Amino acid sequence: KQEVTQIPAALSVPEGENLVLNCSFTDSAIYNLQWFRQDPGKGLTSLLLIQSSQREQTSGRLNASLDKSSGRSTLYIAASQPGDSATYLCAVPYGGATNKLIFGTGTLLAVQP
Amino acid sequence: DGGITQSPKYLFRKEGQNVTLSCEQNLNHDAMYWYRQDPGQGLRLIYYSQIVNDFQKGDIAEGYSVSREKKESFPLTVTSAQKNPTAFYLCASSLTGGTTEAFFGQGTRLTVV
Repeated sequence: KQEVTQIPAALSVPEGENLVLNCSFTDSAIYNLQWFRQDPGKGLTSLLLIQSSQREQTSGRLNASLDKSSGRSTLYIAASQPGDSATYLCAVPYGGATNKLIFGTGTLLAVQP
Repeated sequence: DGGITQSPKYLFRKEGQNVTLSCEQNLNHDAMYWYRQDPGQGLRLIYYSQIVNDFQKGDIAEGYSVSREKKESFPLTVTSAQKNPTAFYLCASSLTGGTTEAFFGQGTRLTVV
């Protein structure tokens, strides 16, 4: 059964620092991996979707990489800002050709001004 | 604006009462999903629907029911059989297939009083 793990569970950094969030999964037979952001008490905002055939995907200051063979994805945030403070979740589809998602438990990021 | 609308934002349920959470999307997506989020446990799939008039149980369907009479709407009923309904409920939609991006609503927080 697919399992998704995110390390660290929480991270605090000073403003301006570059940082990396990690996501690992146990079954490498995935269609894609999606990164989300969740603000307290809010829904999920999709940040990046990286297909299994891709190794990287970029959006602004965010860069996601995917290494299927090692079961790992990273989300790189450049020049962090206090507004980046949120919980970051990664998720992969499971159960065949559906988009049912299995999630990691997230990394709570705090960017200190 | 295209998106997913969940209502209400907050809902209070008395013991033994059924309540219904609304989810509407105008993204023209065929697939819709309900997830439950509990602190420290991540998101878990309750029900999903790939097409109108069809839906499937997810990992934690007991005590819940759904309907899919219209493409745009996927309401979730939390029945009195659900013994621990207090949680944050998230609705999502996507195109069908395992390679597409999932989009989420802003969530409904359900509390038992």
